Amino acid sequence: RKEVEQDPGPFNVPEGATVAFNCTYSNSASQSFFWYRQDCRKEPKLLMSVYSSGNEDGRFTAQLNRASQYISLLIRDSKLSDSATYLCVALTTDSWGKLQFGAGTQVVVTP
Amino acid sequence: NAGVTQTPKFRVLKTGQSMTLLCAQDMNHEYMYWYRQDPGMGLRLIHYSVGEGTTAKGEVPDGYNVSRLKKQNFLLGLESAAPSQTSVYFCASNRIAGGAYEQYFGPGTRLTVT
Repeated sequence: RKEVEQDPGPFNVPEGATVAFNCTYSNSASQSFFWYRQDCRKEPKLLMSVYSSGNEDGRFTAQLNRASQYISLLIRDSKLSDSATYLCVALTTDSWGKLQFGAGTQVVVTP
Repeated sequence: NAGVTQTPKFRVLKTGQSMTLLCAQDMNHEYMYWYRQDPGMGLRLIHYSVGEGTTAKGEVPDGYNVSRLKKQNFLLGLESAAPSQTSVYFCASNRIAGGAYEQYFGPGTRLTVT
């Protein structure tokens, strides 16, 4: 079983709409979580860090539910430029910055 | 400030050939990583280094070797390439400060082994 699992999508979203998707993790020792964004054939880049119950950055809101072991990402007022693959990432307490990556959720924002 | 760079960007190898991928970072980061990314699999850690002169195995180390002779460089070697090593390889680095753990990635190397 993968340590971090994501719905691969694609989530097709009309421009201006809201989209949300989850990521589940199996290692209860995971302490920190991140959402990375990856554009087609490009390198991943950090979108948000999720340290406590969640946080918000502009149109993006991340929430963490430790009891159910999942993290969610919500994108409001979707833009065409939000089309990308979103990688859910977990850091465990026993690692030296080693991250566990999910396979990603593809989001396609349409005009 | 170039960040993380990787050489080469593309390469095609025949089975059994060898090659070295070079990763360089100019951010004075202590930690460096090599990942491979395959469709549906996500990024998987091959090897990593927590400082100059040190390396350690990650999740999928077989068939690869690494060296970190200089702090800014992390080399990934394939001694005898196999078709199963066809993948996109990403190098990353970070300076674990304040618990941020943000990893900065290079642009990737697309390797095809025929």
